[in-house]
Amino acid sequence: GNSVTQMEGPVTLSEEAFLTINCTYTATGYPSLFWYVQYPGEGLQLLLKATKADDKGSNKGFEATYRKETTSFHLEKGSVQVSDSAVYFCALSDWGNDMRFGAGTRLTVKP
Amino acid sequence: DTEVTQTPKHLVMGMTNKKSLKCEQHMGHRAMYWYKQKAKKPPELMFVYSYEKLSINESVPSRFSPECPNSSLLNLHLHALQPEDSALYLCASSQARDRRTYEQYFGPGTRLTVT
Repeated sequence: GNSVTQMEGPVTLSEEAFLTINCTYTATGYPSLFWYVQYPGEGLQLLLKATKADDKGSNKGFEATYRKETTSFHLEKGSVQVSDSAVYFCALSDWGNDMRFGAGTRLTVKP
Repeated sequence: DTEVTQTPKHLVMGMTNKKSLKCEQHMGHRAMYWYKQKAKKPPELMFVYSYEKLSINESVPSRFSPECPNSSLLNLHLHALQPEDSALYLCASSQARDRRTYEQYFGPGTRLTVT
């Protein structure tokens, strides 16, 4: 079946540091890949997505590239801010559009 | 407008109560979802509606009863819940279930506490 594996957190960084959150997937088909962000006390917000190999999704300074050869979709940001503190979920969707989520990575950014 | 709304925001109920959670979207989406999220865990899929018909029930106990009155509304009726049912309940919608490329849009959730 389909599954997503994320790096375990929590991750603590200083403001302006470089962020990488690793995500790898297993899928029987050709999934679309997503990153969602959840701020404290809120629902999930779509951060970015990629629907085919070598696509790069980007939003608010975050980027992730769909790497079929390594089955990965790592999230990166060049300079994090305190306001980026949240839980980040990697997810995949295959035919039928049912989402599979990773365990989530909690990010804390300190001033 | 990419908004999914949920009411109430918070709900406290006893184990003998009956209550309902409501979800609404006006994006013309034809698939709607209920998820349960426990603290520090990812969302767990409970139910999926596609074109107002129940498509998936992930072996959810019968004390949870979903309803889709029309294409914009989704309800979750709660009855005789247990304390372990306390969680954040999230509603989501997507354009349809027939393409893998469609993202899901989530509401802010209802924080449910069962006493």
